[in-house]
Amino acid sequence: QQQVKQSPQSLIVQKGGISIINCAYENTAFDYFPWYQQFPGKGPALLIAIRPDVSEKKEGRFTISFNKSAKQFSLHIMDSQPGDSATYFCAARRNKLIFGTGTLLAVQP
Amino acid sequence: EAEVAQSPRYKITEKSQAVAFWCDPISGHATLYWYRQILGQGPELLVQFQDESVVDDSQLPKDRFSAERLKGVDSTLKIQPAELGDSAMYLCASSAHGQGGNEQFFGPGTRLTVL
Repeated sequence: QQQVKQSPQSLIVQKGGISIINCAYENTAFDYFPWYQQFPGKGPALLIAIRPDVSEKKEGRFTISFNKSAKQFSLHIMDSQPGDSATYFCAARRNKLIFGTGTLLAVQP
Repeated sequence: EAEVAQSPRYKITEKSQAVAFWCDPISGHATLYWYRQILGQGPELLVQFQDESVVDDSQLPKDRFSAERLKGVDSTLKIQPAELGDSAMYLCASSAHGQGGNEQFFGPGTRLTVL
C-alpha cells in the first residue's frame, strides 16, 4: 500500500519530442504528488508537484496529469531537450515521501 | 542561493568500520531528513527531525545506525559497524516545515562504498 510504481525504467526520446513517465499508487491517503529531477552526482530537485484535487498542472514544458479514480499520475515533458536528460522520480506523500524507482531519460540531439 | 551542504562527498570504508556523515541544512529550515538511495532506486527515508527531535525513524536500522541533531541545526548520521549492504548514496534534505507540501531541498549526497 505504501509503494509507488513507476514506469518505464528508461526512456529514449528525440530532441523536440514528448517524454511521458507514469506512476501508480494504491494508498488513497496520499495527499501530495511531486516529481523530482536528479542529475548524476547531484541530489534530487523538485520539478513540479500536484495535489489530488487538481487533474492537471503545467509549468513551462512540464505537465503533471492526475487521475484520482485510476490512482495514476504522469509527467509529460514537451519539446524535450538534451538538457532534460536525467533521472526522474515520482513520489507520493502521507506523512513522508515515498519515491518511485526512477526513470532514466535520455534525449538525443 | 542557499543550499544543503553535505560532507564528505565520497567515503570508502571496510566492513566493520565506523563511518559518519555530516549535513548542514538551509538556514532556518526546521525539518531535516536523511535518506538512503541504493543505486537504481528512489530515496528511502531513514530519519526525520523536527528541530532537534526525531519525528520518524521507523526505517532506521537502529542496531547499527544512529542520527543526531543536537542543537537543531546541523546533523550527523553514523553507521557502526558498516556492512557491505550499506553501500549507497546518503542524502540529506531540509524543509521549512515538515508538512503542508513544503518543498524538500536535497544536498549533493555522500556516496558510501563498503569493501
